[in-house]
Amino acid sequence: EPEVTQTPSHQVTQMGQEVILRCVPISNHLYFYWYRQILGQKVEFLVSFYNNEISEKSEIFDDQFSVERPDGSNFTLKIRSTKLEDSAMYFCASRVIAEAFFGQGTRLTVV
Amino acid sequence: KQEVTQIPAALSVPEGENLVLNCSFTDSAIYNLQWFRQDPGKGLTSLLLIQSSQREQTSGRLNASLDKSSGRSTLYIAASQPGDSATYLCAVEGSSNTGKLIFGQGTTLQVKP
Repeated sequence: EPEVTQTPSHQVTQMGQEVILRCVPISNHLYFYWYRQILGQKVEFLVSFYNNEISEKSEIFDDQFSVERPDGSNFTLKIRSTKLEDSAMYFCASRVIAEAFFGQGTRLTVV
Repeated sequence: KQEVTQIPAALSVPEGENLVLNCSFTDSAIYNLQWFRQDPGKGLTSLLLIQSSQREQTSGRLNASLDKSSGRSTLYIAASQPGDSATYLCAVEGSSNTGKLIFGQGTTLQVKP
């Protein structure tokens, strides 16, 4: 069964460093998303991406964040100059019509 | 602003019981409602999607209902098993047309053997 794949599963980074989280969405999907879940809190929407551009972003998604679909298969989230409060589980999701499918997540720990 | 609330926050039941998880949302103008399962430290697994024109969806022992006008959805789990132990998340897609999902905080279910 097709699935959304995220790498790495866990990343530890020092405060101020840049990180890139990678996702391979399901191949025929057209809509791509990043969400995050801080420990013990709700899953929060970060950004949606369609037709090679951002279609919506949340207040959390400030200039520190960027997304890219560098080729036909990968979808990345870059966080510049990480802060302690960026520590969270980051989920990639994709969909073709209505149902969203999520990856297993990348646990980002900023120390 | 859409808010999604799930009650109860936690639930512990003996194996074999039927149970109902509740989800409410403040803005009835939704496209879809989706139920997910999350195991500790893991990703989200889609269980059921109910489109706004539908009243319910069923998959195996799971049945989800939607009442848009009252802003409620329920997830019914029949004959619960220890393997059902997980956190169940409800999420609504609003009218932004981008597919953004707004999540509830989840109900953590423990099914005891």
